[in-house]
Amino acid sequence: GQNIDQPTEMTATEGAIVQINCTYQTSGFNGLFWYQQHAGEAPTFLSYNVLDGLEEKGRFSSFLSRSKGYSYLLLKELQMKDSASYLCAVSDSNYQLIWGAGTKLIIKP
Amino acid sequence: GAVVSQHPSWVICKSGTSVKIECRSLDFQATTMFWYRQFPKQSLMLMATSNEGSKATYEQGVEKDKFLINHASLTLSTLTVTSAHPEDSSFYICSARVGLEINEQFFGPGTRLTVL
Repeated sequence: GQNIDQPTEMTATEGAIVQINCTYQTSGFNGLFWYQQHAGEAPTFLSYNVLDGLEEKGRFSSFLSRSKGYSYLLLKELQMKDSASYLCAVSDSNYQLIWGAGTKLIIKP
Repeated sequence: GAVVSQHPSWVICKSGTSVKIECRSLDFQATTMFWYRQFPKQSLMLMATSNEGSKATYEQGVEKDKFLINHASLTLSTLTVTSAHPEDSSFYICSARVGLEINEQFFGPGTRLTVL
């Protein structure tokens, strides 16, 4: 079957760095997405990785290792507004998104 | 970027009534639209995939006669929750994709449905 695993909840301090991991097992792979979702709102796109390596975009970076079925989202200089759920999703062989359950990130002052 | 709208943003209805939710791609033509449901503190659950001009493909466990999907044009898909019950109360989100092999999905803002 297809499976996406990510931690349920993480806590970090304002100004610090946090890494959210995602492991996946899917039928085929056409890229991995990270989305941010604030409570009561729809997901917003953060990043897309299809090749191995690190993609950096401002305070957010995303890493992919296809051989390990592994990705992480790295958030630097955390701000209170970064408190949200972070969803990992993999595009399978049919270009359908398989979603993880999401990681709720709590930022403390 | 591509914009997807949903209407209404929220709706409260009585048990047994039907509710229609519209999803529109405002500045692009969406070959495929997706309908998701999200219960509190849970992740997105794909309900169905809808391609313009053809019947929707429903995920296992989703009743196609209860959740009617119409994708009549490249910019509009509708989800009708028929004979709604309190357990149908949820956050319904649509997304749209430009092409069959284009990965990124653009999400609408969601519709919160409360069935009394």
